[in-house]
Amino acid sequence: QQQVKQSPQSLIVQKGGISIINCAYENTAFDYFPWYQQFPGKGPALLIAIRPDVSEKKEGRFTISFNKSAKQFSLHIMDSQPGDSATYFCAATGTRGSNYKLTFGKGTLLTVNP
Amino acid sequence: GAGVSQTPSNKVTEKGKYVELRCDPISGHTALYWYRQSLGQGPEFLIYFQGTGAADDSGLPNDRFFAVRPEGSVSTLKIQRTERGDSAVYLCASSPRTLQEQFFGPGTRLTVL
Repeated sequence: QQQVKQSPQSLIVQKGGISIINCAYENTAFDYFPWYQQFPGKGPALLIAIRPDVSEKKEGRFTISFNKSAKQFSLHIMDSQPGDSATYFCAATGTRGSNYKLTFGKGTLLTVNP
Repeated sequence: GAGVSQTPSNKVTEKGKYVELRCDPISGHTALYWYRQSLGQGPEFLIYFQGTGAADDSGLPNDRFFAVRPEGSVSTLKIQRTERGDSAVYLCASSPRTLQEQFFGPGTRLTVL
């Protein structure tokens, strides 16, 4: 049972364009939603995260939009650059207690063409 | 400061052999997680340590997998009687007790021939 569904599987955008990746979750106990960026041969690195008490969070060119009623959240990368080419994972966890094990989506391979 | 380190970076073994994968978390991080990432997939949770004890091992696929963290720092993931289906990248992450953010190591790529 896949608890976090991510789309699209792959995405190609031109330099300067907007990249949009979508995720949906099922478990209503989830209340922390991070996005990770992973380059080949490296471990995932936290990009940005959001809690359901806000509908949007922006850090530089990266924005998370969150729709609690629809149980959906998305990552927007503005002014996409070739250096943004990587695999992006959405994730979710519940923060009651101290076990913050993450449930990941399957990932989106982003290619930004120069 | 130093991040999470994992050794070896690559491990090739034969079916049926025993392997150990090591994780050195960030100093002072009490929480430690192991994940497994198969090709083209997101990481999947294996086990969580808070200090020395395994607080949640619900993600271990079967009893061939075991992990320890005897002094609350370094952790070792142990796989007995390896199978070809165990081939994956094994990721370790650590975090301070009070934060949700997890810092991942580069992973160990395990290949079972």
